[in-house]
Amino acid sequence: RKEVEQDPGPFNVPEGATVAFNCTYSNSASQSFFWYRQDCRKEPKLLMSVYSSGNEDGRFTAQLNRASQYISLLIRDSKLSDSATYLCVVPNYGGSQGNLIFGKGTKLSVKP
Amino acid sequence: GAVVSQHPSRVICKSGTSVKIECRSLDFQATTMFWYRQFPKKSLMLMATSNEGSKATYEQGVEKDKFLINHASLTLSTLTVTSAHPEDSSFYICSPTSGAYNEQFFGPGTRLTVL
Repeated sequence: RKEVEQDPGPFNVPEGATVAFNCTYSNSASQSFFWYRQDCRKEPKLLMSVYSSGNEDGRFTAQLNRASQYISLLIRDSKLSDSATYLCVVPNYGGSQGNLIFGKGTKLSVKP
Repeated sequence: GAVVSQHPSRVICKSGTSVKIECRSLDFQATTMFWYRQFPKKSLMLMATSNEGSKATYEQGVEKDKFLINHASLTLSTLTVTSAHPEDSSFYICSPTSGAYNEQFFGPGTRLTVL
């Protein structure tokens, strides 16, 4: 299994739709997880952190299933401005440096 | 979030030239700097890690003599791509942090195009 694996996408949804992205990770020792958002030709920006079973912030909900080594991101009531690539990110607990390991990202396009 | 600047934001150069990219953490002391690169439609991949005042640690497959990293101060790190070739064309992003596993911030990135 790859270290961090995501739905390939792209997801094309209408405004107002609910969309969910999935992510699996290989290191069972991982304790924290992140969802980043990356706009075209821009740097990633932190969207949500997940440390326990889940986290909710407005229209965004992240859920963690440690047994299955699975993280999800749910976006409700999609807005045009949600169009971006969503990166599942896991700290590199196997290394000594503390860098982040990024998934390839899932592209979301929200249409009017 | 922290303020990180990266310069230049975009550079186009001829094959064989060297390009220096600067990354500054403007409002905190970056004891560690990660340098990532991202090829089109690919994920960010760690190139190297540097701790202030120490030599950088390079990931497997990244040539240390080609990608020179200097982290002389807690607010500035530079990445120099020496003798750039078209296959070095990529999006280079710095990520300073004040400690392992702390939240990491990213510079706005440098898009390098080598002709």
